[in-house]
Amino acid sequence: ETGVTQSPTHLIKTRGQQVTLRCSSQSGHNTVSWYQQALGQGPQFIFQYYREEENGRGNFPPRFSGLQFPNYSSELNVNALELDDSALYLCASSLASSPGELFFGEGSRLTVL
Amino acid sequence: DAKTTQPTSMDCAEGRAANLPCNHSTISGNEYVYWYRQIHSQGPQYIIHGLKNNETNEMASLIITEDRKSSTLILPHATLRDTAVYYCIVRVDGNNRLAFGKGNQVVVIP
Repeated sequence: ETGVTQSPTHLIKTRGQQVTLRCSSQSGHNTVSWYQQALGQGPQFIFQYYREEENGRGNFPPRFSGLQFPNYSSELNVNALELDDSALYLCASSLASSPGELFFGEGSRLTVL
Repeated sequence: DAKTTQPTSMDCAEGRAANLPCNHSTISGNEYVYWYRQIHSQGPQYIIHGLKNNETNEMASLIITEDRKSSTLILPHATLRDTAVYYCIVRVDGNNRLAFGKGNQVVVIP
């Protein structure tokens, strides 16, 4: 059974740039959630995708957007990067039947200069 | 979702049971208690969850008080690899998001 994989693991961008982060969900999982974790804080919910549609969104501006593909993999896009976007971005997959049991990847560490 | 309160940090002795408390005094009837942990530089890991009955799995036991206003996660024989931030989360049935707080930094000491 393949776990959740994320890429890239680390990246550095400058203010105003755009970034795309990728996530492959665990085999058989049809739901993907994205979380942002700033240093010293707990993860914060960004949004969730189910059947290629956004299925709930946290308190993040529209420049945070996402996609889910037919194979359940997902992308997180962030436009017009700001310094405060520097964080660990975590992807988690789950079954729709067990919405609270999330399986997280190792995350993508984004640094915005 | 109901708010949870945990210690900021605690130490536990290796080989002993670790009892991690969590208060959720405003919990309502359709809210579940979830526990996750996050080892340094890794993504969070699901541990266990429950509604009102005590639960046990291969990782831990979850004891929920009868009034459901608090719970305790028990790691039966703490090892050094159990050093992590532990998150107690309350989730409304039907809600698709988890509200992580700052968690409890647990250090297992040899």
